[in-house]
Amino acid sequence: QLQLQESGPGLVKPWETLSLTCTVSGGSISSSSYYWGWIRQPPGKGLEWIGSIYYSGSTFYNPSLQSRVTMSVDTSKKQFSLKLSSVTAADTAVYYCARQDYYVSSGSLDYWGQGTLVTVSS
Amino acid sequence: EIVLTQSPGTLSLSPGERATLSCRASQTISSNYLAWYRQKPGQAPRLLIYGASSRATGIPDRFSGSGSGTDFTLTISRLEPEDFVVYYCQQYVNSPHTFGQGTKVEI
Repeated sequence: QLQLQESGPGLVKPWETLSLTCTVSGGSISSSSYYWGWIRQPPGKGLEWIGSIYYSGSTFYNPSLQSRVTMSVDTSKKQFSLKLSSVTAADTAVYYCARQDYYVSSGSLDYWGQGTLVTVSS
Repeated sequence: EIVLTQSPGTLSLSPGERATLSCRASQTISSNYLAWYRQKPGQAPRLLIYGASSRATGIPDRFSGSGSGTDFTLTISRLEPEDFVVYYCQQYVNSPHTFGQGTKVEI
């Protein structure tokens, strides 16, 4: 059974960089059938897709966040990461990592991590 | 960017009743690259439907999806107690892969 687990600081200061890692277990991160994505959800609000990365390192980002987002992948550790720079209180959210399936569904998010709350505050 | 508008915002029903949730897109979603997710409180969303009408693995047949172009529907034929949560639609044909604002199904 594929599992994803987010990790990283739960508190980030304004204007600093948020850094999260997602560790994949129970399956391969290097499959050609999947992208690996990040989605966030501010408290009490809806979902926002941040971006996705392929095992080769190819990325596509939400244009609204593109200037501040960097994603990377480490296939040897079965991990992919998110960095969001110059954060403000508006970036406070639960951050989820997820698998984006292109083999069966051409891009839906079929496995999700449990999510991690990141609060931006001094 | 494709904007998805879900309606109604809140749907008040009883267990055993039928629920019909709508998702309307601001432009045509080609190849029906439209998914539905259910999110229970404190949990990650779970994929219910992909490709507008295909049930994901392990999803009971009381959930069905339909529609094409700009208008899509999620139908829950007989509501179970665990179905009284929030549902989101998402398009994944164009970047950014946008979500609707959600529909809450309440008792």
